[in-house]
Amino acid sequence: DAGITQSPRYKITETGRQVTLMCHQTWSHSYMFWYRQDLGHGLRLIYYSAAADITDKGEVPDGYVVSRSKTENFPLTLESATRSQTSVYFCASSETGNTIYFGEGSWLTVV
Amino acid sequence: SQQGEEDPQALSIQEGENATMNCSYKTSINNLQWYRQNSGRGLVHLILIRSNEREKHSGRLRVTLDTSKKSSSLLITASRAADTASYFCATEHDTSGSRLTFGEGTQLTVNP
Repeated sequence: DAGITQSPRYKITETGRQVTLMCHQTWSHSYMFWYRQDLGHGLRLIYYSAAADITDKGEVPDGYVVSRSKTENFPLTLESATRSQTSVYFCASSETGNTIYFGEGSWLTVV
Repeated sequence: SQQGEEDPQALSIQEGENATMNCSYKTSINNLQWYRQNSGRGLVHLILIRSNEREKHSGRLRVTLDTSKKSSSLLITASRAADTASYFCATEHDTSGSRLTFGEGTQLTVNP
C-alpha cells in the first residue's frame, strides 16, 4: 500500500553506537520531516527537507544527521547515541500548506 | 517559542457528552491543524483550518479559529469510547517548508 513507512519500529542500542532510522514515502511528496516525541509530550522537529539534496535544521538537531539523496527516502542517523535520545521518532511527509502524514514511529531506547 | 499550548492537559467525560479542547499560539499562522494519537501509534490528521477561515466541520468534529485571539478550539460531539486518545494542535507559521509546531496535547478519556 502507498504511504509512509519507518524502520526499524523498535530498537535498543548502547550509548555511543551509531543508529540509523529509515523513512520511505510513496507519494512523491516534496517535504519530509523527522520529529521526536518524548514520553507524555508533544512533537519537536529535528530536521526537515524541502526536496532531494535540500535539508535544514529544526528545533532540536544536535546529535543527528540526515540525508536525502532520493525524494522518497529520508534517513535519520544518530552518530553517537546518548540516553537523552531515547524517544519515539516520527517521520512525516507533505506538500506545502497541506496535510502532513506521519509514519507509525520508531521506538528507540539507548541504554 | 512559537509552540502552541493546549488546554486542558487532560479531559475525562462520559460517552455521549461533548468534548472541547483549546489551543493557543503566539505568532501569526498560515494554518492550524489538529491531530489525534492513539496510545502507541502515530499521529492521524483530523482537520486543517487556514488563517482566513473561522470554522470547519468534519463529521462529529468542529474546529474554530480566532486569529485575533490566536486561539483555536476542537469540539467533538457525541463522544465515543473510541475517541479516547491524545489530541494535538499544530501550527504552520511560515510559507516555506510546511514545518509544524506542536503543542503538548490534551489527553481525552471517554468513559463507556
